[in-house]
Amino acid sequence: KNQVEQSPQSLIILEGKNCTLQCNYTVSPFSNLRWYKQDTGRGPVSLTIMTFSENTKSNGRYTATLDADTKQSSLHITASQLSDSASYICVVSALVGGSQGNLIFGKGTKLSVKP
Amino acid sequence: DTEVTQTPKHLVMGMTNKKSLKCEQHMGHRAMYWYKQKAKKPPELMFVYSYEKLSINESVPSRFSPECPNSSLLNLHLHALQPEDSALYLCASSQNSWGANTGELFFGEGSRLTVL
Repeated sequence: KNQVEQSPQSLIILEGKNCTLQCNYTVSPFSNLRWYKQDTGRGPVSLTIMTFSENTKSNGRYTATLDADTKQSSLHITASQLSDSASYICVVSALVGGSQGNLIFGKGTKLSVKP
Repeated sequence: DTEVTQTPKHLVMGMTNKKSLKCEQHMGHRAMYWYKQKAKKPPELMFVYSYEKLSINESVPSRFSPECPNSSLLNLHLHALQPEDSALYLCASSQNSWGANTGELFFGEGSRLTVL
């Protein structure tokens, strides 16, 4: 069964500190992995999208890594800011039946950045 | 313009009302989606339109009726909803069908629906 597991479920850090969020998946055949940031009550916003051949991708203070062998991804946030407080969702795309795809959502990690 | 615009942002309706949620994108995307998201849960796929044709219906109750008048617009017609249908309804679009391989999936801000 295709699944995406995220940890931790929630995280509280102080402003200025770094943190790392984890995503493990059992999705096959794998197409790509995406990280989204979702503020409470708003739509998700894409941070990164990585394919099988990409190990690391950065977007400002966000750096995502992908290990396709162990089926793990991480999202590292550097020098956190209060505006980083949000849910971070890992989404893995499976290739199903040719060009049709299937997106499997993780449950998200809720990050709170405190002053 | 990389926006997906949803209206209204908030909607309160009774169980006997008929209302509609609207979604618009001008990125030339040919696939559009409706998701439902309950609090503290990930989005759940409801419908997928590909080239203005309904390609996926995830066993959604008939009280939800999607419509795609043209490639830029997506509506969700609501009728005889239940209180448990209260949720954030998200519209999304991608360049091609499903956008799964390499395409980005762009989400709107969502419509917060409350059914009394």
